[in-house]
Amino acid sequence: DGGITQSPKYLFRKEGQNVTLSCEQNLNHDAMYWYRQDPGQGLRLIYYSQIVNDFQKGDIAEGYSVSREKKESFPLTVTSAQKNPTAFYLCASMEGATYNSPLHFGNGTRLTVT
Amino acid sequence: GESVGLHLPTLSVQEGDNSIINCAYSNSASDYFIWYKQESGKGPQFIIDIRSNMDKRQGQRVTVLLNKTVKHLSLQIAATQPGDSAVYFCAERSNAGGTSYGKLTFGQGTILTVHP
Repeated sequence: DGGITQSPKYLFRKEGQNVTLSCEQNLNHDAMYWYRQDPGQGLRLIYYSQIVNDFQKGDIAEGYSVSREKKESFPLTVTSAQKNPTAFYLCASMEGATYNSPLHFGNGTRLTVT
Repeated sequence: GESVGLHLPTLSVQEGDNSIINCAYSNSASDYFIWYKQESGKGPQFIIDIRSNMDKRQGQRVTVLLNKTVKHLSLQIAATQPGDSAVYFCAERSNAGGTSYGKLTFGQGTILTVHP
């Protein structure tokens, strides 16, 4: 089955540590996205990538970093500079050639930093 | 701007009733709209989309209505079932110059609870 796989589902870290969240897709989609979701709020865009080896900051990129070395992979690193890292992180992809197409989401990683 | 809060709007219905979930958007340049369903602990699931050159689109048990004059979007679910219980988000995309490619702006969400 084609889809987006995020791992792990739950992640616990101590404050001050960097942590990397995995996102893999086998949909052959060009564009990939990272969103953050906090309780009672809509999704907010962290980073996105339209093609391999290229990525752009979203609305809340501070304290995060990404890489896009392969089309199918778009890992997100939450650094110690992110002031409120505890959240539900969602990865998504979109078929790049079609502007009017929806994002397809993975099932998220819940990160807890104490 | 986007409103932020800890308390989502809620809608409670009886099984079999029709549900209407509303969404107001602020960007008059938005030209593509999507409704997502999110169950607890999962990612958003695509339900239906609509382009700005349409005012109505129907899917299986769902209808999306778009009123560009008042910047309002609604999702109608016919014969609502307990499995429809979830948080529903609307999302908008603008093709205006300088906009992040493919970026969706999400609403706060509405909690739908369906009672058997």
